Amino acid sequence: AQSVTQLGSHVSVSEGALVLLRCNYSSSVPPYLFWYVQYPNQGLQLLLKYTTGATLVKGINGFEAEFKKSETSFHLTKPSAHMSDAAEYFCAVQYSGGGADGLTFGKGTHLIIQP
Amino acid sequence: KAGVTQTPRYLIKTRGQQVTLSCSPISGHRSVSWYQQTPGQGLQFLFEYFSETQRNKGNFPGRFSGRQFSNSRSEMNVSTLELGDSALYLCASSPSLLETQYFGPGTRLLVL
Repeated sequence: AQSVTQLGSHVSVSEGALVLLRCNYSSSVPPYLFWYVQYPNQGLQLLLKYTTGATLVKGINGFEAEFKKSETSFHLTKPSAHMSDAAEYFCAVQYSGGGADGLTFGKGTHLIIQP
Repeated sequence: KAGVTQTPRYLIKTRGQQVTLSCSPISGHRSVSWYQQTPGQGLQFLFEYFSETQRNKGNFPGRFSGRQFSNSRSEMNVSTLELGDSALYLCASSPSLLETQYFGPGTRLLVL
């Protein structure tokens, strides 16, 4: 069975500071990994994804994530936080072998940006 | 391209009633998945449809059902509503199975 753990339900950073949101997964086979962002009263927007190939993945809005198989991690980073980054962020895993239960999401991390 | 659309956006029902939610995928997308989002349980997978066939199903009771039409539009139905069914129901579409899912804005259901 696959699972996702996001460390920290709330993360607070100052505007202009580094953003680091942590995600660890468990999967018995190579996973597909995703980060989604959700703004209030909206659906989920894809930030970036890892399927195969290069382990450092760049996404929209200056975000990037690195797939580290040895650490079973897929942490999300952004060098300089902006007020508009305040939102809920979800890490998700999908079983690349197919036939599994859709996307499995972490509990989410609420990112707070301090002015 | 237009994104995933869901109707209605908001819905209020009472216990025991049934409800039908609709999802129109991105043009050309043939796979539609449904998720339930609640503060307590987070985001949970309900089911996935591809080519009018249910391909996967999450751990939900039989009161939750769905279907997909030949134009890839999908509906989900919840019968005998319970207070715990209050949630944001999200639909996602993808070109095919195991491809990136794009989400709609959701339908917020309140059961009184």
